[in-house]
Amino acid sequence: DGGITQSPKYLFRKEGQNVTLSCEQNLNHDAMYWYRQDPGQGLRLIYYSQIVNDFQKGDIAEGYSVSREKKESFPLTVTSAQKNPTAFYLCASSRQISNQPQHFGDGTRLSIL
Amino acid sequence: RKEVEQDPGPFNVPEGATVAFNCTYSNSASQSFFWYRQDCRKEPKLLMSVYSSGNEDGRFTAQLNRASQYISLLIRDSKLSDSATYLCVALSGGYNKLIFGAGTRLAVHP
Repeated sequence: DGGITQSPKYLFRKEGQNVTLSCEQNLNHDAMYWYRQDPGQGLRLIYYSQIVNDFQKGDIAEGYSVSREKKESFPLTVTSAQKNPTAFYLCASSRQISNQPQHFGDGTRLSIL
Repeated sequence: RKEVEQDPGPFNVPEGATVAFNCTYSNSASQSFFWYRQDCRKEPKLLMSVYSSGNEDGRFTAQLNRASQYISLLIRDSKLSDSATYLCVALSGGYNKLIFGAGTRLAVHP
C-alpha cells in the first residue's frame, strides 16, 4: 500500500540531546513537509521541501534541521537548541501541482525525560 | 488575528442531528480550501476539498464564500463515529502552504 511512514511512534529526549524523526513516503510525491502540533492548537509548519536536495524554513524552524537526500525520505532532527520540543510531530507529502491537498503520516510524539 | 479561525467548540449533539461548522480566513489570496478530520491522538485525514460552487459528499456538504472569506461544513444525520476534531485549512503560496485552523471539536452522543 502507498503511504507515509513515520518512526518512531513515541520518542523521549534527554537534556542536550539531538533526536531524529524519520519520515518515508512511497507515493512518489515531490513535496514533503514537517509540522508540529501542540495541544489545542493548529498545525505549524517547521520545514518543507519541494524537491530533492532543497528545503526551506517554515514558520517555526528554529531548533530544527532537515535533509532531503532522497525523494522518499525527509528526516527531521530536533536539536538541543529547541527548548520546548514536547509536541506531536507530523510529516506530510503532496504532489507538486498546485492546489493539491497534503497527506499525513501517523505522527511521532516527542517528550522530554 | 489568526489566518484561519474556527470556533473551538465542543459541539455536543445527539445522533441524527445536523451540525454546521464555520471558518473564516484572512488571506484573500488563498487559493484552495479543505476540511480535515483528526481523531484524538491521530494524524489529520482529508475529509473533503471545498469548491466555490459548494460540494457534497454523502452526509457532508462544504461551502465557500470568497466575498466573505468564509467556509462552512455541514454534517447531516450525525453518527457516533463522526466524533472528532474538524480542521479548516486554507492553501496559499506557491509551495502549497497549508494554513490550519485550531479545529472544532464535535462530540456525538447516543
